[in-house]
Amino acid sequence: ETGVTQSPTHLIKTRGQQVTLRCSSQSGHNTVSWYQQALGQGPQFIFQYYREEENGRGNFPPRFSGLQFPNYSSELNVNALELDDSALYLCASCFWNRVNYGYTFGSGTRLTVV
Amino acid sequence: KQEVTQIPAALSVPEGENLVLNCSFTDSAIYNLQWFRQDPGKGLTSLLLIQSSQREQTSGRLNASLDKSSGRSTLYIAASQPGDSATYLCAVFLGAGSYQLTFGKGTKLSVIP
Repeated sequence: ETGVTQSPTHLIKTRGQQVTLRCSSQSGHNTVSWYQQALGQGPQFIFQYYREEENGRGNFPPRFSGLQFPNYSSELNVNALELDDSALYLCASCFWNRVNYGYTFGSGTRLTVV
Repeated sequence: KQEVTQIPAALSVPEGENLVLNCSFTDSAIYNLQWFRQDPGKGLTSLLLIQSSQREQTSGRLNASLDKSSGRSTLYIAASQPGDSATYLCAVFLGAGSYQLTFGKGTKLSVIP
């Protein structure tokens, strides 16, 4: 197992800008999910990607979008940043097949919007 | 819609005490429940995973129980240590094609030396 790596670890953006966050998947996991965790809150599900297609989405606007690549790595893109987008963004690679289940989180990217 | 609630929101105990953290969920049709630990500004570390068919899981000083019918889980920490200070989150996984975890807001634990 190689674990899940997220980059960058921290970044600061200005309101209205766009940002791309990156995540490398754990070997053997074909699904990636992204979560937003505001200060003092539990992580909130943004969306998940399976075989390069979005197949689940939480209550987030379309300016939150993503990509999954053939090697199962992923990007989260946020357009037109707002102050409330300041949060810890967590990526998780996962698999589930009724026999085995695995859900591994990265260390997160701390985004500050000013 | 699945909702997960954790009580208390914060807890401060002296070193050596045993303690219980509580988690409740509204939809009992879960596939499993996980307890995570989160240190300040860091990612999530999985502590214990309980399948829906199980009643409890143990790892070292940690014991997690699950009562699926009543929608409740507890995390018991024995002989608490200052290094246990962190936020503890519970999350439920529904399965059935959705990989979404639904989290509670967490319990912030402080163990005082």
